[in-house]
Amino acid sequence: QVQLVQSGAEVKKPGASVKISCKTSGYTFTNYAMHWVRQAPGQRLEWMGWINTGDGERRDSQKFQDRVTITRDTSASTGYMELSSLRSEDTAMYYCALGGFDYWGQGTLVTVSS
Amino acid sequence: DIVMTQTPLSSPVTLGQPASISCRSSQSLVHSDENTYLSWLHQRPGQPPRLLIYKISKRFSGVPDRFSGSGAGTHFTLKISRVEAEDVGIYYCVQGTQFPRTFGQGTKLEIK
Repeated sequence: QVQLVQSGAEVKKPGASVKISCKTSGYTFTNYAMHWVRQAPGQRLEWMGWINTGDGERRDSQKFQDRVTITRDTSASTGYMELSSLRSEDTAMYYCALGGFDYWGQGTLVTVSS
Repeated sequence: DIVMTQTPLSSPVTLGQPASISCRSSQSLVHSDENTYLSWLHQRPGQPPRLLIYKISKRFSGVPDRFSGSGAGTHFTLKISRVEAEDVGIYYCVQGTQFPRTFGQGTKLEIK
């Protein structure tokens, strides 16, 4: 069955960067694009970006203004999301999701605090 | 960006009774390939969302048939024919027609 396993929780200081991994299994990695979505406490889901896992084409949300970098390693069937210049408002649960949001990772909590 | 607006924001429902959630988009969600990429997600407390419905009305694998989706263009509806205890949580609509993908603000379903 399709599984997405994300890396563990992170605590970062303002101005730092965080890189989250999303290791997949149970299907051909390049068959599904990968989204990254975040959810601040009590807030709605927020789309951050997307990568075509086949050709590497990316689309990012303008909101993050070049702070977000989404990559993938096809040999490891793993996607990555790096967010830089962290601020307290970036404290949230971060999810990877496949295709049309068909499958989701378990989430990675990122806390930004001085 | 396409704005997705859900109503109601909260829906108290009696077990065994129906429930309905509306989602409106600020622009038509009909893609140039003639598909309409409107999906519904369900999120239980402390869990990631899961896909219920895609392309307006298609149930995802394993989703009970008490869930149904309908609509067209800019107005869409999720219906639960008979609410069960496991249906509590937050329901989101999301559009996949245009980048950036955008979500509704969520509708909290709770049992009376």
